[in-house]
Amino acid sequence: QKEVEQNSGPLSVPEGAIASLNCTYSDRGSQSFFWYRQYSGKSPELIMSIYSNGDKEDGRFTAQLNKASQYVSLLIRDSQPSDSATYLCAVKVEGAGKSTFGDGTTLTVKP
Amino acid sequence: GAVVSQHPSWVICKSGTSVKIECRSLDFQATTMFWYRQFPKQSLMLMATSNEGSKATYEQGVEKDKFLINHASLTLSTLTVTSAHPEDSSFYICSGQVGNQPQHFGDGTRLSIL
Repeated sequence: QKEVEQNSGPLSVPEGAIASLNCTYSDRGSQSFFWYRQYSGKSPELIMSIYSNGDKEDGRFTAQLNKASQYVSLLIRDSQPSDSATYLCAVKVEGAGKSTFGDGTTLTVKP
Repeated sequence: GAVVSQHPSWVICKSGTSVKIECRSLDFQATTMFWYRQFPKQSLMLMATSNEGSKATYEQGVEKDKFLINHASLTLSTLTVTSAHPEDSSFYICSGQVGNQPQHFGDGTRLSIL
């Protein structure tokens, strides 16, 4: 079992729809959770950080964390073709030096 | 804020050459820096973790004598690929981090060894 698991996709949604990306993790000591977006041929860029249970909204993006169920999700509202990318979930155990990244979910938003 | 600058953006060189890649945190002091490698259409692969003033910690399977990492200051880490060969051609990405804050990535270096 991988430490951080994501559906590889591809996930395809029509423009304007809600895209839902999911991530599960195995280490219950995880305290910090991050979502990154990576366009093809580019490096990852941070979209959201979430540290406590519940929802965190930033523009069209909402991160949801449920530590009891060990999952974190990212919702993208009003999806745009420019949102087409690979989304990486990263999880960090408190005190650990590094985050553990999932393999990513590829999202395609069709016009 | 949290900008990481990575240079060069791309390198093309002959087999056997050593290549140095620089990673600088411009507006924060990165207590930890990470080096990743990514092959086309594959996942990020962590190569090593470096803390300022300490020896880097390499992931299993990464040759520390081939991939030399120096983290002499809180704002600069370098990766040197020694005697590079075609199989070392890849996309190398660094990131900087402070404490439990998220990692911030540089723009990456595309290395092509002929």
